Amino acid sequence: AQSVTQLDSQVPVFEEAPVELRCNYSSSVSVYLFWYVQYPNQGLQLLLKYLSGSTLVKGINGFEAEFNKSQTSFHLRKPSVHISDTAEYFCAVSNFGNEKLTFGTGTRLTIIP
Amino acid sequence: GAVVSQHPSWVICKSGTSVKIECRSLDFQATTMFWYRQFPKQSLMLMATSNEGSKATYEQGVEKDKFLINHASLTLSTLTVTSAHPEDSSFYICSAQRGAGSTDTQYFGPGTRLTVL
Repeated sequence: AQSVTQLDSQVPVFEEAPVELRCNYSSSVSVYLFWYVQYPNQGLQLLLKYLSGSTLVKGINGFEAEFNKSQTSFHLRKPSVHISDTAEYFCAVSNFGNEKLTFGTGTRLTIIP
Repeated sequence: GAVVSQHPSWVICKSGTSVKIECRSLDFQATTMFWYRQFPKQSLMLMATSNEGSKATYEQGVEKDKFLINHASLTLSTLTVTSAHPEDSSFYICSAQRGAGSTDTQYFGPGTRLTVL
């Protein structure tokens, strides 16, 4: 069985500052990794996903994430955040051949003007 | 593209009644749909996986007789919470997937907030 750990439940960041949201996973088999964003009162939207190939994945809204197999991490980064990035961010993992997603507990990103 | 809707967005019901929640893929056909439950400040927990025309597969610990799932068409799945009780109050979210593979993206609905009095 796989699991996902998002150590930071809340991350406050000043506007235009960089941000990193941490995600670590545990799995006995190869995985696919995802980051989803949930804006207030909305459903989850896919930011980016890692399936294979280049370990640096670029997503929407200027976000990117790097898959690090040795550290079993998939941290999400953005060089300069905007007020509109205020949301809940979820990291998720699925195993090869299995479409079920296991989610982390989420990180609430708050942008300070 | 890839829009998923849920209806209703919120519902309040009395204890003992049944509530039906609809999940629709508006602009694509979904071979697989998923139902999740999200408690306040917690993650999404997968409840069940449904494939069109077949019985849903429930996760361990989820009562299939209480949470009835019907995936009658490639664009519609319903979750019925039968004989609802206050502990069933939660945020229910569905997702829809175009293909049947693990690399296919799940597209999520906006969720339904259920409050049982």
